[in-house]
Amino acid sequence: AQSVAQPEDQVNVAEGNPLTVKCTYSVSGNPYLFWYVQYPNRGLQFLLKYITGDNLVKGSYGFEAEFNKSQTSFHLKKPSALVSDSALYFCAVRDAGDSNYQLIWGAGTKLIIKP
Amino acid sequence: AAGVIQSPRHLIKEKRETATLKCYPIPRHDTVYWYQQGPGQDPQFLISFYEKMQSDKGSIPDRFSAQQFSDYHSELNMSSLELGDSALYFCASSLGLGNTGELFFGEGSRLTVL
Repeated sequence: AQSVAQPEDQVNVAEGNPLTVKCTYSVSGNPYLFWYVQYPNRGLQFLLKYITGDNLVKGSYGFEAEFNKSQTSFHLKKPSALVSDSALYFCAVRDAGDSNYQLIWGAGTKLIIKP
Repeated sequence: AAGVIQSPRHLIKEKRETATLKCYPIPRHDTVYWYQQGPGQDPQFLISFYEKMQSDKGSIPDRFSAQQFSDYHSELNMSSLELGDSALYFCASSLGLGNTGELFFGEGSRLTVL
């Protein structure tokens, strides 16, 4: 069965420090992986995606994520956190062989950046 | 740039009433998805449409129905509303079914059932 796990409900980071939001996945075929960010009472905004190619993917707002096939992970990272990065982050996966564009979502991780 | 437009942004209804949510996808996007997000929960897929035909069905209650019109906008109709239907309803659009691209989400419609 396809699934996404975000093991941390909340991550606290001091401003200026590096941040990591973890995501692991399980699909039967090749994964298409996505990160979205959701600010309070707002829609989900696309951050970045991995489809194929370089394992390190760069996205919006200085975020990047590294695809690790052996560990089935796609952790979101940023070298220096900003207070404005505080939001809810969702990891999502789709099986590349799935005929329907059905995203499987993680439960979300609340990121809190403290000044 | 044009984004996904949802209306209304906020809606308050009473139990057993009916509500209709509208979604206008990004121009030239032909695929629309509806999601329901309860407080503190991840988005739950309800239903999707591609070229005005239902393409996939998720956890959409029988009391709900949806359609995509010739101009590609979509409407989610909810009848016999229950307290548990209170949630944020998101619409997303993409170009083509089964592509590798990301979904573009609207700001959501917050439904409160009293």
